[in-house]
Amino acid sequence: SYDLTQPPSVSVSPGQTASIPCSGDELEKKYVCWYQQKAGQSPVLVIYQDKKRPSGIPERFSGSNSGDTATLIISETQALDEADYYCQAWDSSTGVFGTGTKVTVL
Amino acid sequence: QITLRESGPPLVNPTQTLTLTCSFSGFSLRPSGVGVAWIRQPPGKALEWLAVIYWDDDKRYNPSLRNRLTITKDTPKNQVVLTMIDVDPVDTGTYFCAHTAVWGVGMIYMDVWGKGTTVTVFS
Repeated sequence: SYDLTQPPSVSVSPGQTASIPCSGDELEKKYVCWYQQKAGQSPVLVIYQDKKRPSGIPERFSGSNSGDTATLIISETQALDEADYYCQAWDSSTGVFGTGTKVTVL
Repeated sequence: QITLRESGPPLVNPTQTLTLTCSFSGFSLRPSGVGVAWIRQPPGKALEWLAVIYWDDDKRYNPSLRNRLTITKDTPKNQVVLTMIDVDPVDTGTYFCAHTAVWGVGMIYMDVWGKGTTVTVFS
């Protein structure tokens, strides 16, 4: 099976940049999505096709994908960005989620 | 506006069959490029992708659960049903369904999610 690995947690100060990596074998050959899930809520798509933002998602959310690692970057992090973040890709037309990263805004 | 709503029994006994229904509005499963996926989340744990069904009745399953899951659609009723047989306490969690858009090979994303339904498996 295909696995996506993320660090369990990332801490960031308000106004600073948070970088969340997602690792998988030859991940650059797949399109990656990122989902934000706040406590008690459903996940929200924040990045699709590696780097595209759905309408309504702030420009401070950006993404990249190269080699074995995709990265979600949150610029000028705000307290409301505190949440769990999951990367997701498709392997042989089946979905795979990453292990999830809890972003704490200190 | 696309909305999805999951429904199902809140409690299920081990070894029984769990049937979950996703009722949606704002889109149809008739046109190409549309699907509905199921995802679950055990308490305090990560998301787990379960299955997807597309407009053309193509179905894909999580390989680790393939032999326990069945996904079907009722296009006129705007519903997708997920059936899981032989449930176990480890199947306890919140089950979500999500609108899935297909733009090309590998270009798939789940852009609108339901609020989820909580299922507890216990004897």
